[in-house]
Amino acid sequence: SAVISQKPSRDICQRGTSLTIQCQVDSQVTMMFWYRQQPGQSLTLIATANQGSEATYESGFVIDKFPISRPNLTFSTLTVSNMSPEDSSIYLCSVQEKPYEQYFGPGTRLTVT
Amino acid sequence: AQSVAQPEDQVNVAEGNPLTVKCTYSVSGNPYLFWYVQYPNRGLQFLLKYITGDNLVKGSYGFEAEFNKSQTSFHLKKPSALVSDSALYFCAVRLFHQTGANNLFFGTGTRLTVIP
Repeated sequence: SAVISQKPSRDICQRGTSLTIQCQVDSQVTMMFWYRQQPGQSLTLIATANQGSEATYESGFVIDKFPISRPNLTFSTLTVSNMSPEDSSIYLCSVQEKPYEQYFGPGTRLTVT
Repeated sequence: AQSVAQPEDQVNVAEGNPLTVKCTYSVSGNPYLFWYVQYPNRGLQFLLKYITGDNLVKGSYGFEAEFNKSQTSFHLKKPSALVSDSALYFCAVRLFHQTGANNLFFGTGTRLTVIP
């Protein structure tokens, strides 16, 4: 399966600031996804990011708050903008490789103070 | 609504005993079902999937899952639990949308603790 890395692995940020999370994959993949896992909760899909097109956001998530870039088939970024303590979560990058199989990066643990 | 449910937040089992982590689903059409495991401070790892075919699916680390259409269940099992199996387990279903897009919908997770 693809090897997925994320930067940073964790960060502590002040409210009102923004953080950009990077996701790097060691092979070319068409479909990339960004998920959020709030403390003690399950995973929630933020958006699907396909190269060459605008990201598709799920209900409850908007581009102004979570802008996504997908410049090529191995890289994507998610920005968490104008952060508040409610944004404290683990953010996970995911790719779909084999049919219907998704693999996940190690996650970025974000704490907003 | 299409979803998966994990009825147990916590499962405790003694080392060496068989373990079961439960999952039920509610989808229209044929379900595409998955199990993932999350170890502390690590991302999700794919364990196994059911798309079609044999109802008993074998996966990584000695885990298997049984698809039961009549009971709409996809329980995760292992014949002999190890302390290292202690982790958070997620059941997931792939949802297909009219737009042609599809995505994974996750259950709420079950924390498995294997007691030495």
